[in-house]
Amino acid sequence: AQKVTQAQTEISVVEKEDVTLDCVYETRDTTYYLFWYKQPPSGELVFLIRRNSFDEQNEISGRYSWNFQKSTSSFNFTITASQVVDSAVYFCALSEETNYGQNFVFGPGTRLSVLP
Amino acid sequence: DGGITQSPKYLFRKEGQNVTLSCEQNLNHDAMYWYRQDPGQGLRLIYYSQIVNDFQKGDIAEGYSVSREKKESFPLTVTSAQKNPTAFYLCASSSRTGDRGAEAFFGQGTRLTVV
Repeated sequence: AQKVTQAQTEISVVEKEDVTLDCVYETRDTTYYLFWYKQPPSGELVFLIRRNSFDEQNEISGRYSWNFQKSTSSFNFTITASQVVDSAVYFCALSEETNYGQNFVFGPGTRLSVLP
Repeated sequence: DGGITQSPKYLFRKEGQNVTLSCEQNLNHDAMYWYRQDPGQGLRLIYYSQIVNDFQKGDIAEGYSVSREKKESFPLTVTSAQKNPTAFYLCASSSRTGDRGAEAFFGQGTRLTVV
C-alpha cells in the first residue's frame, strides 16, 4: 500500500537557521509523483513542488530546496535562512493511481515554528 | 480569479442533523476530492470524483455522502450517521487532462463543530 511518513511532528528553529523536513514514502508503482504543500494558519494548502519518479535532480527555488533520492525513498525539503513567515504545517504527498483514477496520499505533516 | 471556493468557513451542527458543505471550482478541473483533517493529523480522503455523475469512496466514507451533478460542484453532506464529525474539511481539485501527476489545488476549508 502507498504510504508517506513524516517522522518529525514538530520542529522549532530560530529565524535565519536552516531546517530540513524529512519525507519517506512507500509505493508499488514504478511511475509516481511526489508533492510538498504548505498549510499556513489560515488552513488552505498551498502547493510548493511536484517531482516525478524519473527526475532525481534536486530543485532549488529561492530559499527552498528539495532532495529526491529514489534509493532511500526520500523526498526531503530544506528551507535556508528560515523566516517567521515560514511557520506552518508542511505536508508531503504521493500520487496514487487506482482503478478509478488518481488519488493523493498525504503524510501526517510537520509543524514548523520559526521563532524571531 | 480561478480557484476553489468552500462555504461556509465555519459551520455548527446539532447532534442528529445533516449538514452540507459546499465546494465550487472554476478551474475546469475534472477531478475533485474531499479530505478530513483532525487536529495534529494529516489529510484523510472521504470521497473523490473523476467525472460528472460518478464518484468513489475514500478511506473514511462512512457517514458522508456526495454528489457530482456539475463539473464545477462537489458538495459533501455530513449525515447523522457520522459519529464524530467535528473536524476541518478540505475540498480539492486537479486536472487529469494529459498530466497524470497533476497537483491538487485546495479550497480554504470548512471547520465543522458539533454543538
